[in-house]
Amino acid sequence: QSALTQPASVSGSPGQSITISCTGTSSDVGGYNYVAWYQQHPGKAPKLMLYDVSNRPSGVSNRFSGSNSGNTASLTISGLQAEDEADYYCSSYIRSSTPLYVFGTGTKVTVL
Amino acid sequence: EVQLVESGGGLVKPGGSLRLSCAASGFTFNNAWVSWVRQAPGKGLEWVGRIKSKTDGGTTDYAAPVKGRFTISRDDSKNTLYLQMNSLKTEDTAVYYCTTGYYHDSSAPLGYWGQGTLVTVSS
Repeated sequence: QSALTQPASVSGSPGQSITISCTGTSSDVGGYNYVAWYQQHPGKAPKLMLYDVSNRPSGVSNRFSGSNSGNTASLTISGLQAEDEADYYCSSYIRSSTPLYVFGTGTKVTVL
Repeated sequence: EVQLVESGGGLVKPGGSLRLSCAASGFTFNNAWVSWVRQAPGKGLEWVGRIKSKTDGGTTDYAAPVKGRFTISRDDSKNTLYLQMNSLKTEDTAVYYCTTGYYHDSSAPLGYWGQGTLVTVSS
């Protein structure tokens, strides 16, 4: 099971919207609605931002939204803020085999 | 508040062993399915393995790179998760995170994370 493919970097100015893609296969992203997105600031643990494609955990800003089409999932951050600058990872649960969770390659978001 | 606190990391020589611990609080640990995830320096996240709750069988699953070398166990009386790592390789160098599901289901996203503990394998 290979890592999911994400762009290495995405940037935007404050207030703009950006979208990060996450491409997998029909065995992971395309097979289930189990896609999650994590935000990780330097030296910190990952933080769950979206789960089951588009659901936000309690306390996560509604500026974060998600979608899924075929084998590609997307995370959109609207109204970009300085605090959004971080690494973002997608993940998919694999029901039928190990690894049970496969992660994306990671995207560095830079707020210009 | 859910808290996961890892400990036990450090420097170990290739071929050596190390045991990590994860102390849990703020939730019903004995019902939880708990995973270890690692992150090599400057790299992405990699799932290591998971243990189910004893009521769900207590079985374990592992990623291919660690299967046969790493063992996950739990002591529900101490609300503690363990990762026994044997035959360590330099490529096992990483921050190791303890993490559990955001809700109780086999497919639950990894919603709660500890702060991580660094394992360095080097001669």
